[in-house]
Amino acid sequence: AQSVTQPDIHITVSEGASLELRCNYSYGATPYLFWYVQSPGQGLQLLLKYFSGDTLVQGIKGFEAEFKRSQSSFNLRKPSVHWSDAAEYFCAVGPHSGSARQLTFGSGTQLTVLP
Amino acid sequence: GAVVSQHPSWVICKSGTSVKIECRSLDFQATTMFWYRQFPKQSLMLMATSNEGSKATYEQGVEKDKFLINHASLTLSTLTVTSAHPEDSSSYICSAGRDRGQTEAFFGQGTRLTVV
Repeated sequence: AQSVTQPDIHITVSEGASLELRCNYSYGATPYLFWYVQSPGQGLQLLLKYFSGDTLVQGIKGFEAEFKRSQSSFNLRKPSVHWSDAAEYFCAVGPHSGSARQLTFGSGTQLTVLP
Repeated sequence: GAVVSQHPSWVICKSGTSVKIECRSLDFQATTMFWYRQFPKQSLMLMATSNEGSKATYEQGVEKDKFLINHASLTLSTLTVTSAHPEDSSSYICSAGRDRGQTEAFFGQGTRLTVV
C-alpha cells in the first residue's frame, strides 16, 4: 500500500528566508506526486505536480519540488518565503494507472512565517 | 481551471439527524468524484469513490450505510451522513477530475460538519 510521510509537523521561518518542506513516499510503482496548500477556510490548491520527465518541477507562487527516485522523496522548496505563504502544506501520491486522482495524503506541515 | 463547489460550507446538526452535502463540478463533467474526510489538524483520508450511474466504492473501515453517496449526474455527487453523532464532526472534502485520463484532481472548499 502506498504511504506518504511528512516528517515535519510544524515549521517556522522568517519572511524572506528560504523554505524546504520534506516529503517521502512509499509506492510500488512510479507514482504521480503532488503538493497542495490549504489556507484556513479554503479548499486545497494545487501547487505543483510530477508525472514524468524533468525531475525538477516548477509550480505556482514561486514553489518548486524535486523528485528523487533513489531517496523516494519529493521535497518542496521556495527561495524566499512571503507572509502569505503561511498555511498547511500537503504532499500526496497517486497511481500512474487507473485513477490518478485517488490520492493518498501525507499528514501535512503547518508553515508559520515570522515578520 | 476547473471549479468544484461544495454546499453547504459548514453545517451544525443535532445528534441523530442526517445531513446531506453536495459536490458539484461547475464547468466540467466528472464521471468520478472522491470524498475525503479531514479531522481538525489532520490529513485527508479517502472515504469513497463516487461513480456516476453506479454504486460508490468505499474504503476499508468506512460504513457505507452511514455515509450514503449518490452520483446522479455528471456534475453532482452527494454525501449523506445518516444518524450523525458527535464523532462524525469533521470536514468533508470532495474532489473531481475532468475525465478518466485527467490526472489532476480539483478540490471543493470542504464542508465543516459539527454534530451537537
